[in-house]
Amino acid sequence: DAGITQSPRHKVTETGTPVTLRCHQTENHRYMYWYRQDPGHGLRLIHYSYGVKDTDKGEVSDGYSVSRSKTEDFLLTLESATSSQTSVYFCAIRQTETSTDTQYFGPGTRLTVL
Amino acid sequence: AQSVAQPEDQVNVAEGNPLTVKCTYSVSGNPYLFWYVQYPNRGLQFLLKYITGDNLVKGSYGFEAEFNKSQTSFHLKKPSALVSDSALYVCAVRPYSSASKIIFGSGTRLSIRP
Repeated sequence: DAGITQSPRHKVTETGTPVTLRCHQTENHRYMYWYRQDPGHGLRLIHYSYGVKDTDKGEVSDGYSVSRSKTEDFLLTLESATSSQTSVYFCAIRQTETSTDTQYFGPGTRLTVL
Repeated sequence: AQSVAQPEDQVNVAEGNPLTVKCTYSVSGNPYLFWYVQYPNRGLQFLLKYITGDNLVKGSYGFEAEFNKSQTSFHLKKPSALVSDSALYVCAVRPYSSASKIIFGSGTRLSIRP
């Protein structure tokens, strides 16, 4: 999984509680991404980062915030979780150092909001 | 709007037969095209990428993809399917004008029967 870890791997929480998901990379990549994967929708971009403290919104950013205080960690926060945020969340890095220049994904976090 | 379409939710093939997983796209300019594979409880894994040049791209695990500019298609193929090829296959496109973002299709579940 290209040196990407996600924690936790599984989480069950209740509506209205805050939740933070962590993505950690070991290869010093500049770009990092958070996606959610839902049946029938494919992967949808939530937020991405192009450097420490540099982030931007994706197509489904409402209800989510992110932070990147150091290169290796990219945090996704649900300030007040809702049932519609039940999903599988994937972190990815963009590997620009080779001619492939594509994204590589972590193993995912399965989040259930009751 | 820029988009990627995978018209088949599921494709069923007998082991040893050729397989095709279809993908069409709608983006402006000359895009970069990708195929990813996803096994259960794993993140997406990069299979192959088209940038320019030869319309037939070879990738991992014996897969190849054919780019057709006039039909805006990028179909994934393999001459002889294996049971171990059973997985979710996701087509993606990166618009030339947006180097940091990728648009993903909803995926096609490939099932290979012995």
